[in-house]
Amino acid sequence: DIQMTQSPSSVSASVGDRVTITCRASQGISSWLAWYQQKPGKAPKLLIYAASSLQSGVPSRFSGSGSGTDFTLTISSLQPEDFATYYCQQANSFPLGVTFGQGTRLEIK
Amino acid sequence: EVQLVESGGGLVKPGGSLRLSCAASGFTFSSYSMNWVRQAPGKGLEWVSSISSSSSYIYYADSVKGRFTISRDNAKNSLYLQMNSLRAEDTAVYYCARGKVDCSGGSCYGYFDYWGQGTLVTVSS
Repeated sequence: DIQMTQSPSSVSASVGDRVTITCRASQGISSWLAWYQQKPGKAPKLLIYAASSLQSGVPSRFSGSGSGTDFTLTISSLQPEDFATYYCQQANSFPLGVTFGQGTRLEIK
Repeated sequence: EVQLVESGGGLVKPGGSLRLSCAASGFTFSSYSMNWVRQAPGKGLEWVSSISSSSSYIYYADSVKGRFTISRDNAKNSLYLQMNSLRAEDTAVYYCARGKVDCSGGSCYGYFDYWGQGTLVTVSS
């Protein structure tokens, strides 16, 4: 199985800050990676797929990059509604190969 | 508007059974693969099972294989998960999620583009 490791596990930031979250795959997955946002008590929401494609309706302050084993999710200017937990998901060999990162909790400083 | 609404969760004793349902609306249900993804309390996300649009292909995580059965009824726009021989480690919120899948060169790549609100399954004596 391909393991996904996110860093940091948690991060504190202020409204207006630029934040970057990293996801590393244990082996190359080309660009087959997604990012999800989950707020407490709510379902995950797809933000980015294919490493850098923005899901319909997602604000443009969210962006994704990377390929192979190293990927990043960047929020260009944090808004109050962005404080949540973010998960990466490798999409290779769907569905049997699907694995998620352990999550990154984004907290208000 | 795409909507997925799960039901059927609850408290069950170890070794017991439960059947989850997911009612879909706002899209052509019969055209999409569907999935169950779970999240144990305070933990991350774990894919559980997938079923293709016509039920031709069915997959399970090793952790539930032989105990859980996924099915769908395209006439009723509904997805199901029959869970037998439940264990404490199956305690989780179970989400129904639509698959966004692309297959090329003999491989398939997929994401979960819409999720239901989840239903809590608690396995405890």
